[in-house]
Amino acid sequence: QQQVKQSPQSLIVQKGGISIINCAYENTAFDYFPWYQQFPGKGPALLIAIRPDVSEKKEGRFTISFNKSAKQFSLHIMDSQPGDSATYFCAASDTGNQFYFGTGTSLTVIP
Amino acid sequence: EPEVTQTPSHQVTQMGQEVILRCVPISNHLYFYWYRQILGQKVEFLVSFYNNEISEKSEIFDDQFSVERPDGSNFTLKIRSTKLEDSAMYFCASSKTASYNEQFFGPGTRLTVL
Repeated sequence: QQQVKQSPQSLIVQKGGISIINCAYENTAFDYFPWYQQFPGKGPALLIAIRPDVSEKKEGRFTISFNKSAKQFSLHIMDSQPGDSATYFCAASDTGNQFYFGTGTSLTVIP
Repeated sequence: EPEVTQTPSHQVTQMGQEVILRCVPISNHLYFYWYRQILGQKVEFLVSFYNNEISEKSEIFDDQFSVERPDGSNFTLKIRSTKLEDSAMYFCASSKTASYNEQFFGPGTRLTVL
C-alpha cells in the first residue's frame, strides 16, 4: 500500500531530448509528491514537488504531470543536458513528513 | 548556502558494536529526519524528530535505534548493536517547518558492518 513504483530503472537520452520518468502509487491518502535529484556522493536534493489539486507543475525545464485517477505522476525534463545526468527519485507522502521513495532512475544524457 | 553536514563520511564497524552517526542540520530548521539507503535500493524513512521528541518512525526504526539532539546543533542516530543488514548509506535531513516543506539532505554516512 505504501509502495511507490518507479520506472525506468535507467534512461539514456541524447542532449536536447526529453527525459520522462514515471511513478505509480497505491495509497490514495498520499497528497504530496516530490521529485529528488541525486548526484554521486551527494544527498538527494528537492527538484520539484506537486500537490494533487493540480495536474501539472512546471519549473524551468522540469515538469511534473499528475494523474490522480490513475494514481500516476511523471517527471519530464525538456531539452535534457549532460549536467542533468543524475539519479532521480520520486516520492510520496500522506503526512508531509514521512516520504516513501521510488527505487530511483539513473539518467544519462549523452552530448 | 547553508547545508546539512554529516560525519563521518564512512564508518566501518564490527557486528554487535554500537555506532553513532552525527548530523548538523541547517541552523534555523526545526524538524530533523534520518533515512537510509541500502546499496542499490530505495531511500527509506527511519524517523522524524521535532521539539526533542520523535514525531514519526517507520517499522525499520526498532529498539536498536535511537535519536538524540544532544545540544543546539547536533542530531545523532545511534545503533546499539549493529547487524550486517544495517550496512547502508544513512542520510540526515532537516526542514524549516513540518509537513510538505522541503527536506534538505546531507551527503550521507556510509556504514559498513563486518
